[in-house]
Amino acid sequence: SAVISQKPSRDICQRGTSLTIQCQVDSQVTMMFWYRQQPGQSLTLIATANQGSEATYESGFVIDKFPISRPNLTFSTLTVSNMSPEDSSIYLCSVRSSNQPQHFGDGTRLSIL
Amino acid sequence: DAKTTQPTSMDCAEGRAANLPCNHSTISGNEYVYWYRQIHSQGPQYIIHGLKNNETNEMASLIITEDRKSSTLILPHATLRDTAVYYCIVDTVGGSNYKLTFGKGTLLTVNP
Repeated sequence: SAVISQKPSRDICQRGTSLTIQCQVDSQVTMMFWYRQQPGQSLTLIATANQGSEATYESGFVIDKFPISRPNLTFSTLTVSNMSPEDSSIYLCSVRSSNQPQHFGDGTRLSIL
Repeated sequence: DAKTTQPTSMDCAEGRAANLPCNHSTISGNEYVYWYRQIHSQGPQYIIHGLKNNETNEMASLIITEDRKSSTLILPHATLRDTAVYYCIVDTVGGSNYKLTFGKGTLLTVNP
């Protein structure tokens, strides 16, 4: 399976600031996704990162708050903008290629003070 | 909303088989059953998936009932490192979109 690296692995940020999380895969993949896992909760899909076009966001998530880039088939970024304490979560990147199971990175643990 | 029902928690003795049930009574004919687990501080790890036949790999076995309305994940010899939250998910494979909808899962605690 693909090896997925996320950076940073964790961060502590001040409210009102923004943080960009990177997801790098060691092989080309068809699809990349971003999930959020709030404390004590299950995973929720934020958006599908589309190569060369705007990401597809799930209900409750908007581009202004979570801008996403995907410049090629192995890399994507998620930015958490104008952060508040409610954004404290684990943010996870996942990938899949045709007819293969989805695989996840180990996530970015984000705390906002 | 998640289309599966799992017990909130289960215990298992180390070295014994862990049998994790999942109900998916509304599963469609083209939907697979996937199992993932999440060990503390890690991302979800893919375990196994199946359509209607039983499946086995190096990690686990998946038993799907004939009517496909329920399944059981079997860890044949549980170890302490198998303590994790186990998620049962039903979804399609292929097509232009592929999203996993996670429920609350089952917290499996393997005891020494």
